[in-house]
Amino acid sequence: EPEVTQTPSHQVTQMGQEVILRCVPISNHLYFYWYRQILGQKVEFLVSFYNNEISEKSEIFDDQFSVERPDGSNFTLKIRSTKLEDSAMYFCASSPPGQGVYGYTFGSGTRLTVV
Amino acid sequence: AQSVAQPEDQVNVAEGNPLTVKCTYSVSGNPYLFWYVQYPNRGLQFLLKYITGDNLVKGSYGFEAEFNKSQTSFHLKKPSALVSDSALYFCAVRATVRGAGSYQLTFGKGTKLSVIP
Repeated sequence: EPEVTQTPSHQVTQMGQEVILRCVPISNHLYFYWYRQILGQKVEFLVSFYNNEISEKSEIFDDQFSVERPDGSNFTLKIRSTKLEDSAMYFCASSPPGQGVYGYTFGSGTRLTVV
Repeated sequence: AQSVAQPEDQVNVAEGNPLTVKCTYSVSGNPYLFWYVQYPNRGLQFLLKYITGDNLVKGSYGFEAEFNKSQTSFHLKKPSALVSDSALYFCAVRATVRGAGSYQLTFGKGTKLSVIP
């Protein structure tokens, strides 16, 4: 069964540093997403991406965050200057045409720890 | 704004007994509803969804969920629980009409299911 792949699985970074989280969505999917889950809390939407541009973003997704699809396969989330409160599990997801009606496939996540 | 409530932080059930994990939602218009399961150190795995049609939806691993529009609920059920069902379960909602809510998934806070041997 096709999977969404995320790397790295764990990342530790110092406050103020830039991090890039990487994702390889399912190849025939058109919509791409980032969600995050702070420890013990619910999963929160960050951003959706379609046709090489952001289609929707949440209040969490401020100027410190950016997304990119640099080639035909990777989808990245960059945090420009990390804060302690950015520590969370970050999930990438993708969905086929229909914008989620047919379901979303999530990756296993990247656990980001900011120290 | 759309929201999901999972009123129970934890549900304990004996192996072989039926299980129910509760979910209620709030969204303008008709909802798309989803259940996901998360095992330790793993991602979110899709279990089932309600888009339209029959109110009883069957999904993976013997799980099913019943959509009740009048009660705005989408409870997850399984007739006979297995120890391997022990995990964290998330209910999620998506609006069907842009402008009535977000096209993106809004999750509940999750319910930890423990199946006791």
